[in-house]
Amino acid sequence: AQSVTQPDIHITVSEGASLELRCNYSYGATPYLFWYVQSPGQGLQLLLKYFSGDTLVQGIKGFEAEFKRSQSSFNLRKPSVHWSDAAEYFCAVGGENYGGSQGNLIFGKGTKLSVKP
Amino acid sequence: DAGITQSPRHKVTETGTPVTLRCHQTENHRYMYWYRQDPGHGLRLIHYSYGVKDTDKGEVSDGYSVSRSKTEDFLLTLESATSSQTSVYFCAIGNPPDHYGYTFGSGTRLTVV
Repeated sequence: AQSVTQPDIHITVSEGASLELRCNYSYGATPYLFWYVQSPGQGLQLLLKYFSGDTLVQGIKGFEAEFKRSQSSFNLRKPSVHWSDAAEYFCAVGGENYGGSQGNLIFGKGTKLSVKP
Repeated sequence: DAGITQSPRHKVTETGTPVTLRCHQTENHRYMYWYRQDPGHGLRLIHYSYGVKDTDKGEVSDGYSVSRSKTEDFLLTLESATSSQTSVYFCAIGNPPDHYGYTFGSGTRLTVV
């Protein structure tokens, strides 16, 4: 079955520290992978996406993610966290035939990030 | 996002009443989705549409119906609202292969009392 697991429900980091949010997926075909961020009371905003090619992808707000096929992972990283990064982060997986019943994006349950001053 | 709007933003309704939420897009995207978001459950797909009058069920479709009579509008109806349908509802749009990854609306907070 297709699934996305975000093992950490809540993470707290100090401002200026590095960040890594974990995402593991199970998908039967070539995966398309996404990270979204949700600020309180807002909708989800796309941070970055991976379809093919370079396994290290850059996104907005200084975020990057690395696709590791052997580990079925797509972890999100940021070298130095800012207080404004406090939000909830969602990993999602889809496929080439996205949009059909087999290709709709599947979302993880999210990781809430808190930032200490 | 300016290309997708949801209405209303907040609604309180009584158990047993029908409720309709509206999603409107100006991006001319083919695919539209309705999700609900609940603590501990993340985002769960209710229904989606892949064209005018073409819709299909998601994982939590019981108690919900949808309609899409125009490309730009996707309506979600709670036929007889129950307290378990208290949630935040998000609409999303997508348009493969030109636009992978969804664009989300700002959400509708629905409370059923």
